[in-house]
Amino acid sequence: DVKVTQSSRYLVKRTGEKVFLECVQDMDHENMFWYRQDPGLGLRLIYFSYDVKMKEKGDIPEGYSVSREKKERFSLILESASTNQTSMYLCASRNQMGTQYFGPGTRLTVL
Amino acid sequence: QQPVQSPQAVILREGEDAVINCSSSKALYSVHWYRQKHGEAPVFLMILLKGGEQKGHDKISASFNEKKQQSSLYLTASQLSYSGTYFCGTENYGGATNKLIFGTGTLLAVQP
Repeated sequence: DVKVTQSSRYLVKRTGEKVFLECVQDMDHENMFWYRQDPGLGLRLIYFSYDVKMKEKGDIPEGYSVSREKKERFSLILESASTNQTSMYLCASRNQMGTQYFGPGTRLTVL
Repeated sequence: QQPVQSPQAVILREGEDAVINCSSSKALYSVHWYRQKHGEAPVFLMILLKGGEQKGHDKISASFNEKKQQSSLYLTASQLSYSGTYFCGTENYGGATNKLIFGTGTLLAVQP
């Protein structure tokens, strides 16, 4: 079974802090994604990566950056957390058939 | 340019049928369907790649009308386990490869 893990299920940070969310997949997938999920807005793509050191902006990249130094790991960085970044963050990886496998999510609260 | 899903929510009794629609304003290359149960991650249901294609997954099936730029998910003889939020994800022609744009979701509640 494909497994996508995220570093934390719940996280509480203060405004202005730098936040790292980590995602690891164990199936050697090239494509990885970060989404945020908010009530009524569905899943919105923040960044995605085709391969190591490759990254592309999604639909809402402002306030975020990413890092992919190893194929299995894709990190989302909030340089200076703000309250409007309080959300559920979901990581996913995708196989060659197009199936995306999601991690369990990190619920981030920024105070 | 998120695809539009309808209805936003639906309540069913066990055994009833439901249809969830997904429409895009852009030409579609593929449509993906996912289900997310409460407190869990979204789980893949199926991908539709060609215009007019239909697929089935147990008693859940879907169609893809490329010309109309829309897809429909059909849930027949619904079971309690079908409850959750259903998302369609679309890949557009001319868009970035492998990039899915998800709709806002349809909440399905199946009651005994």
